[in-house]
Amino acid sequence: NAGVTQTPKFRVLKTGQSMTLLCAQDMNHEYMYWYRQDPGMGLRLIHYSVGEGTTAKGEVPDGYNVSRLKKQNFLLGLESAAPSQTSVYFCASTELAGVQETQYFGPGTRLLVL
Amino acid sequence: GENVEQHPSTLSVQEGDSAVIKCTYSDSASNYFPWYKQELGKRPQLIIDIRSNVGEKKDQRIAVTLNKTAKHFSLHITETQPEDSAVYFCAVVKTSYDKVIFGPGTSLSVIP
Repeated sequence: NAGVTQTPKFRVLKTGQSMTLLCAQDMNHEYMYWYRQDPGMGLRLIHYSVGEGTTAKGEVPDGYNVSRLKKQNFLLGLESAAPSQTSVYFCASTELAGVQETQYFGPGTRLLVL
Repeated sequence: GENVEQHPSTLSVQEGDSAVIKCTYSDSASNYFPWYKQELGKRPQLIIDIRSNVGEKKDQRIAVTLNKTAKHFSLHITETQPEDSAVYFCAVVKTSYDKVIFGPGTSLSVIP
């Protein structure tokens, strides 16, 4: 049982490049979330999903897109990276009961946009 | 939308002393309040949580208290140890709302 995993762990992009971050969970959780964490700040929700085939916007969705084609995977895409997107990205999942349960976080992806 | 404030932003205590971190929120419909601990370079992990129908919850050296009327809740760590050094985040959840709003975090340093 790996829990929540994220790929890649670290990436450097040039402005304008695109990339996809992969989050995978093997706990059969319905809810999945993408957050970004900037220095000295808490976690800010980018997008989330309440089930396979569904996605919704969080607090800071601009510049990102997501897809949940399979229940166990939640993909975060950056179509045209900007330096302001330099951050640590965390994926999280929780059970069918929704957010009133423990959120299990992945190890994070450090993204640097030059 | 929900606004979550957390104080203090940094906290330094001597080993063995107590530490208290307070969070305030704005939406009275919020009803679930977890606390997460994040060690340097690692992922956040839940350490304790409380639901709106409870005023206090304790787990060994960690406790959380909730004042729904005043819309604030606090994390209490007693007999602090160096391994308690980390950033602590409070969070606020509303049942009908599938989102978790995090506070900005408190950096706790426990001095041996």
